[in-house]
Amino acid sequence: GAVVSQHPSRVICKSGTSVKIECRSLDFQATTMFWYRQFPKQSLMLMATSNEGSKATYEQGVEKDKFLINHASLTLSTLTVTSAHPEDSSFYICSAPGQSYNEQFFGPGTRLTVL
Amino acid sequence: QKEVEQDPGPLSVPEGAIVSLNCTYSNSAFQYFMWYRQYSRKGPELLMYTYSSGNKEDGRFTAQVDKSSKYISLFIRDSQPSDSATYLCAMLSGGSNYKLTFGKGTLLTVNP
Repeated sequence: GAVVSQHPSRVICKSGTSVKIECRSLDFQATTMFWYRQFPKQSLMLMATSNEGSKATYEQGVEKDKFLINHASLTLSTLTVTSAHPEDSSFYICSAPGQSYNEQFFGPGTRLTVL
Repeated sequence: QKEVEQDPGPLSVPEGAIVSLNCTYSNSAFQYFMWYRQYSRKGPELLMYTYSSGNKEDGRFTAQVDKSSKYISLFIRDSQPSDSATYLCAMLSGGSNYKLTFGKGTLLTVNP
């Protein structure tokens, strides 16, 4: 199957700082990528849909000014958590669809801890 | 009512047992049904998918969908300690938005 990578795998930052997480499709192009957040013992919650060359689409309740998404190329989407606070500490996972609906490839996730 | 309901467990079974994992859903628009396996601190990995009522088998795994009851299941035969993980059901409606709706996940432990 196709491979999606994320960087960094783990990040610890101070409250008030910004953190950028990268999601890359390594061997295929992705015009669409998805960003999820997963709290401990909870399911994946879709935050936003990242669209190459256009604005991201955010799910209800997700602050677009706090979670900045940039999909600058067909293989890279970035999520920037601005002015991070401890309640933003979570596991952030990206995914990219393959050629059919049932194929969605997930990255390994980024664990963010805000002190 | 949540769109997808899944008992979070935890579920603990002895090695070799048959495991049954289940989800129910309320959205009739869901057409595609997937099961993902997620090891601790890792991204989900697709195990099986199906889009019609009935059974689909892949090795030790069988996915079952009953659209009339809005109920899906994943069966694991001859369970192994390496099957210990969180199993998430996920569903997709038709169209081209690719947006998955996940269940909460069931934590499974297979004891040697």
